[in-house]
Amino acid sequence: DTEVTQTPKHLVMGMTNKKSLKCEQHMGHRAMYWYKQKAKKPPELMFVYSYEKLSINESVPSRFSPECPNSSLLNLHLHALQPEDSALYLCASSQGGTSGRAKNIQYFGAGTRLSVL
Amino acid sequence: KQEVTQIPAALSVPEGENLVLNCSFTDSAIYNLQWFRQDPGKGLTSLLLIQSSQREQTSGRLNASLDKSSGRSTLYIAASQPGDSATYLCAVRRHTNAGKSTFGDGTTLTVKP
Repeated sequence: DTEVTQTPKHLVMGMTNKKSLKCEQHMGHRAMYWYKQKAKKPPELMFVYSYEKLSINESVPSRFSPECPNSSLLNLHLHALQPEDSALYLCASSQGGTSGRAKNIQYFGAGTRLSVL
Repeated sequence: KQEVTQIPAALSVPEGENLVLNCSFTDSAIYNLQWFRQDPGKGLTSLLLIQSSQREQTSGRLNASLDKSSGRSTLYIAASQPGDSATYLCAVRRHTNAGKSTFGDGTTLTVKP
């Protein structure tokens, strides 16, 4: 099973709302990622968690708040977003560790399509 | 700063044709390179991953090569089918297993029946 599950698939929110995106994997992966993708653009890395600790934050605005409650779950909390934050938000995971080809493969979820009104 | 370029940006071919997609990167100090496909509005599907020490990987009709010294990778698709129509992205990772991947802008492939 190489599945990364993201919920919800679609989300519409106002600029004053608070919402959360969820990502789950049961492959035993210890690295999890959040990406943002605008239309006809490649994914842009936002955050990386390695062994449940935040290891990379790509200078993302504080209105995006990641959380990794355990090794299988990754959340992205959203608050006071702007219309320009509308995008496809992708979660990915990889096994992590320091050796082995199979551990390097990133598996992506289907994404959450976010619209901020 | 790593920059990844994919050429061409779009490609349209008749069914059955063999084709090559190109990916170039500016910093040869990479950890691995991964090829993905993305269907419109969907997530990314991993196709092939090449470690920096490898020169090629094959999966079915797909073959990916890596020339780290020249900063190039190619994805060869044999006997293309309409179902291969998608955007193909390459991603280069610089450090470790949980490091940052830099994506190219992708090549949008259309295979006509």
